[in-house]
This record gives sequence, structure tokens and C-alpha cells, in this order.
Amino acid sequence: SQKIEQNSEALNIQEGKTATLTCNYTNYSPAYLQWYRQDPGRGPVFLLLIRENEKEKRKERLKVTFDTTLKQSLFHITASQPADSATYLCAQAGGSYIPTFGRGTSLIVHP
Amino acid sequence: EAGVVQSPRYKIIEKKQPVAFWCNPISGHNTLYWYRQNLGQGPELLIRYENEEAVDDSQLPKDRFSAERLKGVDSTLKIQPAELGDSAVYLCASSLGPPLSTEAFFGQGTRLTVV
Repeated sequence: SQKIEQNSEALNIQEGKTATLTCNYTNYSPAYLQWYRQDPGRGPVFLLLIRENEKEKRKERLKVTFDTTLKQSLFHITASQPADSATYLCAQAGGSYIPTFGRGTSLIVHP
Repeated sequence: EAGVVQSPRYKIIEKKQPVAFWCNPISGHNTLYWYRQNLGQGPELLIRYENEEAVDDSQLPKDRFSAERLKGVDSTLKIQPAELGDSAVYLCASSLGPPLSTEAFFGQGTRLTVV
């Protein structure tokens, strides 16, 4: 079955730096891949969607890449701020349309 | 416009007792999801509705869990009887289109503690 793998260790960076989070998947290439932000005690909030035929998507300080050869998506936050501190979830769905989430990676941006 | 509304926010029950969660999705969203999220894990899909029809319910423990979506709008998720391992956050989400081809909007979730 398809699995989504995200680094379980927290990522600590200094304010102003670029944060890069990784999402790896096994088996088939998903038709869609999404990134969500989740704050403690809250539901996930949608950030970006990328399709399998797209290599890159941008939104303000956010950028997502999709490499079907490496079976990997990278999520970048440029000029990071302490307010960006949260858990970031990767989610994918293939032909079955059953959404599968990774466990998320915690990002901590230090002032 | 209000987002996805869930109630209650918190629930503490003794094992073997029943419990129900309620979800009001965003108006016009045909697709509704129930997820369970354990601590330190990502959301796991329990069931997806397209209007009134339940699809993708393969991960719903049908011996104790049940769900319904009346008139294709509000939905309830029930557990009877609850077990200690059911302690988790139960999230409801809705979207306009098929999973992940459009963004999903999540509610704040119901934190269930079974003691």
C-alpha cells in the first residue's frame, strides 16, 4: 500500500532562513499532492496543491516541488518567521482517491 | 462564512459507553470526510461521503463505528461501545471536489478521551 514518509524529527531554523521539509512516497506516483499546516489543538489548514505533471508551485513565501523520479516533494518557506512555527503535513491521493497523510514534520523558527 | 463546525470540542467518557460527534460542513461542499488523528500522527481517513453516499469506508471499524450524513449535509460519527484505544482527535473536513484535487477545509476536531 502507498505510504507517505515525513521526517519525524523537528526542524529548527533561525528566523530569516529558508526552511525545507521533505515528503517521500512509496510505490505509485500520486495524482495530487497537498501540503497543510497544523497548529496545536487545531485542524489542518490547506497551503498548496501540486499535480503530478507539475514540477513546482509557488504562493508568496511558499514553494512546493514534485519529483516523480525521486518520489519526493519538497516544501520550502523562504524568509521564515517565528509565526511559521507549526507542524506541516503532506497528503497524497492517487487513482483510488483515498487521501493519505504523512505524520507531519514540526518546524520551529527561532527569533 | 463559517467554516466546518464540529461539536463537541472535547469529550471524556468511560470505556464501553457510547459517544457521538457532529459535523456541519461548508455550505455547498458535496464531499465530507471523517478522520482520526492520534498524537504525533497524521490524520487517517475513516470514511468519505459524496453527498449522502458513503464511499471509502474501508478503514472504518464497522463493529463499533457508524456514520451517517443526513440529506447530504450534516454528519454524525458514532462509537459504541468506546474502547481505550479510541482516544484520539476526530476531524471532520469538507471539499467541493474529489479528494486532494481540491483543497479540504477541516474543523477544529473533537478530542475524545476514553478512561
